[in-house]
Amino acid sequence: IVLTQSPGTLSLSPGATAALSCRASQGVSVSNLNWYQQKPGQAPRLLIYGTSTRATGIPDRFSGSGSGTDFTLIIRGLEPEDSALYYCQQYGNSPLFSFGPGTKVEIK
Amino acid sequence: QVQLRESGPGLVKPSETLSLACAVSGQSITTDYYWGWIRQSPGKKLEWLGHIFHSGSAYYNPSLESRVSLSVDPAKNQFSLRLKSVTAADTAIYHCVRTDKKWYYYIDVWGAGASVSVS
Repeated sequence: IVLTQSPGTLSLSPGATAALSCRASQGVSVSNLNWYQQKPGQAPRLLIYGTSTRATGIPDRFSGSGSGTDFTLIIRGLEPEDSALYYCQQYGNSPLFSFGPGTKVEIK
Repeated sequence: QVQLRESGPGLVKPSETLSLACAVSGQSITTDYYWGWIRQSPGKKLEWLGHIFHSGSAYYNPSLESRVSLSVDPAKNQFSLRLKSVTAADTAIYHCVRTDKKWYYYIDVWGAGASVSVS
């Protein structure tokens, strides 16, 4: 399975809303689609699992939705600290885990 | 709080074997989680290598299955990665990770990563 993310880079102002897309080459169960955030110099951290459930400590500005082959991460009220790489990841198809190439979010 | 810490050589010669260990603190490795490895290339691509249960049952990425092996050492509360016949394409940051498997499968704990160069 191949995950494609768009756009490659998103440049937005503080307070704006970001919409990040993740498309799968074949259907993914909603239970098996996760999102991660990676800030420079850090390991990725879990943001959203099961398409729409926020991980512990993740603010409600982050939300996920989707089904089948199309999934979306929405970040509302962008803050400078949201500047990061965002990856979608699927579980269950071969290989068991695979990641999209990432979307870079820049806050300017 | 669970913490993972990678250790191992930062430089490996081509055709040799890359070996890394991951020490787990704050939790026993014999709990109901998978323990695995993910690497990130210089271009930021994330690639799952495989994961292992404390019983020794392991699952590997098919693209690497002929070269990768994982092992677990409950006595030391750590697990390890071996990747043989390395090439420059294996240069990456290697993260050890914990995978939750109770209701959903997701990676909820990451080590800071070990930078490995093949040269």
